[in-house]
Amino acid sequence: DTAVSQTPKYLVTQMGNDKSIKCEQNLGHDTMYWYKQDSKKFLKIMFSYNNKELIINETVPNRFSPKSPDKAHLNLHINSLELGDSAVYFCASQGATGGYTFGSGTRLTVV
Amino acid sequence: DQQVKQNSPSLSVQEGRISILNCDYTNSMFDYFLWYKKYPAEGPTFLISISSIKDKNEDGRFTVFLNKSAKHLSLHIVPSQPGDSAVYFCAASDSGNTPLVFGKGTRLSVIA
Repeated sequence: DTAVSQTPKYLVTQMGNDKSIKCEQNLGHDTMYWYKQDSKKFLKIMFSYNNKELIINETVPNRFSPKSPDKAHLNLHINSLELGDSAVYFCASQGATGGYTFGSGTRLTVV
Repeated sequence: DQQVKQNSPSLSVQEGRISILNCDYTNSMFDYFLWYKKYPAEGPTFLISISSIKDKNEDGRFTVFLNKSAKHLSLHIVPSQPGDSAVYFCAASDSGNTPLVFGKGTRLSVIA
């Protein structure tokens, strides 16, 4: 039973399209994150949500819109996809002890 | 602006020997440090952590050392095993209240 699950695992799409990545955690954690791992392999924070409320938005273009319908879900919608959006996107949740549990990642390729 | 730096992109070690992975940080507000391990096509998984009140934390074959004055930490794996081959990420935060800041990772290859 996967603790943090992301779908899809792979996503190939054309420039200009709109796409969504879904994330669900069954750990009962209050805080969830989206991280982006770019071609230089940096894992960079994009968004942080606590109990459905946006806490952090790290200067991400507003083409990226996270949505948290409940504290177990944090989805990422991306409008007007650009080549530079190609990356691996990781969802994570954080428990009371501070530890993070990551999903397996979504590899987005924009062509 | 890399607040967490892992300057060695890769490391090869023979099975049974010690693996030492290094990490430097620049933000003096960081007081909680973690190491994550990542296999291909999987998300990072937590390995070991240390808070700034300690200078060493050990868990089985894994030991993390923290040198606050040098803003440096290292992960020692001994003895190294082929299953340890993965990318290791160093991460840091400010009292756990800020999102983890990650380094670029070091790819460890343990050769049988």
